[in-house]
Amino acid sequence: DVKVTQSSRYLVKRTGEKVFLECVQDMDHENMFWYRQDPGLGLRLIYFSYDVKMKEKGDIPEGYSVSREKKERFSLILESASTNQTSMYLCASSFSVAAPRQPQHFGDGTRLSIL
Amino acid sequence: SQQGEEDPQALSIQEGENATMNCSYKTSINNLQWYRQNSGRGLVHLILIRSNEREKHSGRLRVTLDTSKKSSSLLITASRAADTASYFCATDSYGNNRLAFGKGNQVVVIP
Repeated sequence: DVKVTQSSRYLVKRTGEKVFLECVQDMDHENMFWYRQDPGLGLRLIYFSYDVKMKEKGDIPEGYSVSREKKERFSLILESASTNQTSMYLCASSFSVAAPRQPQHFGDGTRLSIL
Repeated sequence: SQQGEEDPQALSIQEGENATMNCSYKTSINNLQWYRQNSGRGLVHLILIRSNEREKHSGRLRVTLDTSKKSSSLLITASRAADTASYFCATDSYGNNRLAFGKGNQVVVIP
């Protein structure tokens, strides 16, 4: 069965801290994505990756970076957390760019609060 | 940029009734997908319709796509309490699995 695992369901951090959100998929998917979800705004793409060590900016990359050292793991980094980064963060994966029309598989999200 | 946009309405219906949600988008697409999100959980893929398809069925779900109007609808027939969730449409305009999600449509099914 397909599984995308996010390391924490709830996380509380302080302003200015460096925050790491981890995501692991066990499906050998090439594509991985990070979204944030806010009430009334839907899902917005932060960063995505089509391969190891490869990354591309999404629609709202400011204040974030990512790392993909291994195929199964995609990390989202908040370089210096700010209160406006309080949100639900969702990780997703999908099979391959070469196989379009494949669904994205999501983790259960990390609800991050920045105090 | 956001492409899919659902009608921004919360829908409350009785169990057994049908629920219909709409989605509009702005540019040409390769396919359109619908996802469900239960409270506090991630999104789950429901159905995909290609740009050259007009209608697709999966169990109690029926999706239509009108590319001339750049709109789609999701119909859930004979709703159940377990259908209570938020529903999102997502468009793939790049052909590379990058999706643009709408803002979601909340459906409450009253037992």
